[in-house]
Amino acid sequence: KAGVTQTPRYLIKTRGQQVTLSCSPISGHRSVSWYQQTPGQGLQFLFEYFSETQRNKGNFPGRFSGRQFSNSRSEMNVSTLELGDSALYLCASSLMTSGTETQYFGPGTRLLVL
Amino acid sequence: SQQGEEDPQALSIQEGENATMNCSYKTSINNLQWYRQNSGRGLVHLILIRSNEREKHSGRLRVTLDTSKKSSSLLITASRAADTASYFCATVDSNYQLIWGAGTKLIIKP
Repeated sequence: KAGVTQTPRYLIKTRGQQVTLSCSPISGHRSVSWYQQTPGQGLQFLFEYFSETQRNKGNFPGRFSGRQFSNSRSEMNVSTLELGDSALYLCASSLMTSGTETQYFGPGTRLLVL
Repeated sequence: SQQGEEDPQALSIQEGENATMNCSYKTSINNLQWYRQNSGRGLVHLILIRSNEREKHSGRLRVTLDTSKKSSSLLITASRAADTASYFCATVDSNYQLIWGAGTKLIIKP
């Protein structure tokens, strides 16, 4: 089985712009979770989608949004980028509930905001 | 918010030695998971231990869970250079959401 893929792998944007990141889960997995990882804050949960519905949401501002399509692929969008949004964004998929089973992570998208 | 807290934050040992890292958490859990992350890359699942389990083994890995102390430990025996990575524990809250610790950075010196 192919693993979780994320595109793009690297991205450079400027403040005020918006960005869309994409995640393709492992075939058959219905849950997709997104995380932001920074050196100072560690791994922070953004949101989880299951069968096109947002099931859980972390403590991030409304500038961060996401969606999941019928094929389980997911996108996350960050509008009005700020310098502090520079981070590694990780996507993870699992068969069902993210909290009760193994999550499989993609390689991440490294976003740099200038 | 972070529930799991790893200890130590960083650990440097000689190749061949054993490495032990600990994770403490605050609330009741369904399970606790350990993951490894090589520099700047995605996380790889190592082991999941359920709240009714006390110990679990996988190859050179041994995980213990003490729910009375709300703590877990990960032991890597006979360490290798390839074990150099950051190790994270994650616990599950009442919403079945994974809460992550800040991680332990492990360096194996040749």
